Amino acid sequence: SQQGEEDPQALSIQEGENATMNCSYKTSINNLQWYRQNSGRGLVHLILIRSNEREKHSGRLRVTLDTSKKSSSLLITASRAADTASYFCATGSGNTPLVFGKGTRLSVIA
Amino acid sequence: DADVTQTPRNRITKTGKRIMLECSQTKGHDRMYWYRQDPGLGLRLIYYSFDVKDINKGEISDGYSVSRQAQAKFSLSLESAIPNQTALYFCATSRDSPSSYNEQFFGPGTRLTVL
Repeated sequence: SQQGEEDPQALSIQEGENATMNCSYKTSINNLQWYRQNSGRGLVHLILIRSNEREKHSGRLRVTLDTSKKSSSLLITASRAADTASYFCATGSGNTPLVFGKGTRLSVIA
Repeated sequence: DADVTQTPRNRITKTGKRIMLECSQTKGHDRMYWYRQDPGLGLRLIYYSFDVKDINKGEISDGYSVSRQAQAKFSLSLESAIPNQTALYFCATSRDSPSSYNEQFFGPGTRLTVL
């Protein structure tokens, strides 16, 4: 069964606004990753945060991880129309494959 | 050139037909994966392989089989396709252990329709 659950399922914002997506998971992890998928295309890795990290930045992306609450958030600042995509969290533990959530569909309106 | 390629990109077939989806990679990664994506269900793991001699079932392996012909090639077969196997199929690769720390690289996907 899937480990991560993204929230909300869909999000629509105006260009220039910030977009926040959340991911909750159920079991212990050693890292959490975020991926982006443009419509019908393969997923692309965005950022990885380890279980001993609380926050990580990459360009306009900010990821937080709260292992006590088993949750993570992805913030995209100053969103652009080109950020329109689906965003997935994926959890990693041990030497097993990543487990992906169902995704959040983000629409950025110009 | 794409690092992870999938063929075919689109396929329409009929119930009961045998179908093979192929994946090739030039990234030199040992680990390869097959996922299917259905609307609203995200990605679900079908099979994965950590090296040429290793094959493991994923969450939804029933009705599927795989073959790891070489480090660079990992094929997914549907022995007798059924309509509920209509989906978008992705191949992915990652470096060696610990695999959970390594990002996965995805192919462009194969859209399969079973009539």
